Amino acid sequence: DAKTTQPNSMESNEEEPVHLPCNHSTISGTDYIHWYRQLPSQGPEYVIHGLTSNVNNRMASLAIAEDRKSSTLILHRATLRDAAVYYCIHPGTYKYIFGTGTRLKVLA
Amino acid sequence: EAQVTQNPRYLITVTGKKLTVTCSQNMNHEYMSWYRQDPGLGLRQIYYSMNVEVTDKGDVPEGYKVSRKEKRNFPLILESPSPNQTSLYFCASSRTVNEKLFFGSGTQLSVL
Repeated sequence: DAKTTQPNSMESNEEEPVHLPCNHSTISGTDYIHWYRQLPSQGPEYVIHGLTSNVNNRMASLAIAEDRKSSTLILHRATLRDAAVYYCIHPGTYKYIFGTGTRLKVLA
Repeated sequence: EAQVTQNPRYLITVTGKKLTVTCSQNMNHEYMSWYRQDPGLGLRQIYYSMNVEVTDKGDVPEGYKVSRKEKRNFPLILESPSPNQTSLYFCASSRTVNEKLFFGSGTQLSVL
């Protein structure tokens, strides 16, 4: 099964960049790398996804290692609203396996 | 508005009383799936459906059934609920398996 490894928790100061790492050593060549986040008392929401090259959108940037065994979600300026659990997944064999994610704490 | 709708939002029931949690999406998505979320265990996939013709088990399918008779609906059925199925449940859909997932608002189920 497609499993990822993320740190349990991270902290960041408000207005500073945050780099959230993820290892996905079992990724196959056609699996996209997805990032989702879950705010308190809400369902998960999509953040960004990509296949090989780096990706940017209005929420974040995704940096993918050349061998695709790891990726980093970059929040360019963390705000208090970014405090959430962040999940990195790659949906191999039609299963989106979420794991326990990284709990991001943003300090004012 | 594009959305995944789950009902009910909260449900309290007793052991053994069959229940159904409904899930509907209005985005013409092929892929749909169900998750449960328990403290310390993250999101675990129960069942998924690649399209109307294909459904398959996720990581924790025991005690659950699903049905995909039409593209937009993917109900989760608990034939004989037990207290260990007390959990927060989420339905999700995507256009295909490698595209972004849209989640419902969740159903908090308590089985007494």
